[in-house]
Amino acid sequence: DTGVSQDPRHKITKRGQNVTFRCDPISEHNRLYWYRQTLGQGPEFLTYFQNEAQLEKSRLLSDRFSAERPKGSFSTLEIQRTEQGDSAMYLCASSSAGRSTDTQYFGPGTRLTVL
Amino acid sequence: AQKITQTQPGMFVQEKEAVTLDCTYDTSDQSYGLFWYKQPSSGEMIFLIYQGSYDEQNATEGRYSLNFQKARKSTNLVISASQLGDSAMYFCAMSGYNQGGKLIFGQGTELSVKP
Repeated sequence: DTGVSQDPRHKITKRGQNVTFRCDPISEHNRLYWYRQTLGQGPEFLTYFQNEAQLEKSRLLSDRFSAERPKGSFSTLEIQRTEQGDSAMYLCASSSAGRSTDTQYFGPGTRLTVL
Repeated sequence: AQKITQTQPGMFVQEKEAVTLDCTYDTSDQSYGLFWYKQPSSGEMIFLIYQGSYDEQNATEGRYSLNFQKARKSTNLVISASQLGDSAMYFCAMSGYNQGGKLIFGQGTELSVKP
């Protein structure tokens, strides 16, 4: 049983560039979540999917951010025109869709640095 | 609105001793879940233990146990027989029945285990 995987693990980019991250959830999990974690803080919710449907987006998710889960399997998170304030760890998690309180299992994260 | 509070930014414990990490929460949901995650310096969030709001028994998982006091809205994590590998950030989190499963995290507690 493989866990949640994320790619890349690290990304360094220049301000103004676009970046895309990928998350592969645990295979039988229907729900997929994206969180952002800045230094010294706990993770903050960005968005989540149930199968291919994006059910909620945080106000943290500006128009420059877009997430997809086209076939209900892997998901991508794209940030357009990156800013230095986007530098953070981006965490993906998945859970089964049985209950809202089901345990979420996290991937290793993608650490983004915007220069 | 939901809120998690961890009031201990840092804790020290001697190897082989027990330590308690504090967490209080606030929610208007009647049904909710409480979680503890460990985050080593590598960045991955590792699930440790879960307590459901209707669970009458305190959760236990190996060396981890919860002191769940519903009336006081607290769910403290007890780590017994601390090991050097327990040194990490520990996050308390909750999800509510009406919150779509998204996790709200506290600020975290950094635990250092001394040899």
